[in-house]
Amino acid sequence: QLQLQESGPGLVKPSETLSLTCTVSGGSIRSSRSYWDWIRQPPGKGLEWIGSIYYSGSTYYNPSLKSRVAISVDTSKNQFSLNVHSMAAADTAMYYCARRSMDTAAFHIWGQGTMVTVSS
Amino acid sequence: SYVLTQPPSVSVAPGQTARIPCGGNNIGTKSVHWYQQKPGQAPVLVVYDNDDRPSGIPERFSGSNSGDTATLNIARVEAGDEADYYCQVWDNSRDHYVFGIGTKVTVL
Repeated sequence: QLQLQESGPGLVKPSETLSLTCTVSGGSIRSSRSYWDWIRQPPGKGLEWIGSIYYSGSTYYNPSLKSRVAISVDTSKNQFSLNVHSMAAADTAMYYCARRSMDTAAFHIWGQGTMVTVSS
Repeated sequence: SYVLTQPPSVSVAPGQTARIPCGGNNIGTKSVHWYQQKPGQAPVLVVYDNDDRPSGIPERFSGSNSGDTATLNIARVEAGDEADYYCQVWDNSRDHYVFGIGTKVTVL
């Protein structure tokens, strides 16, 4: 059964870069039928899609975040990662990684999420 | 940017049917997906492509989509269905995924 697990720092200072990793288990990140996504949720608020990557390395991002975000993949470790530059208080959120099927735009499998707080 | 409109809350008595609307311009031409999120947990996909259910999701959950409104229906509501429900689509005008603000379902 496919599982995703986020990891990374729980606290980031303003203006610093956030780096998170999502480890995929129970399946290969090289699946030709899967995209790998990051989604976040500020406390008490709704969901915001951040971006997506295919195992080949092709990416696309939310236009509102594109200038500060980078997603990469390491197929040898079955992981994909998120970098968010110039973090601010508004970036405080639960960050989720998710698997999206190539056949549909739905996010079928989610990690448990990791809370990131931006504070000095 | 494409906007999805959901009511903040819906209340329903146990055993009744909860209907959660998701409004959007010509949303009937898009594939709509629905997620359930209980407090402190990650979202779970309950309906995808308007009216399909992932394996393990009870048949009580169903969806429809026409015109400017998509709807998630929860039949025979149980206390365990209390959660936030989000609709989601692909916005092809800006090439990104969009979520509704979420609807909190309360079982009376």
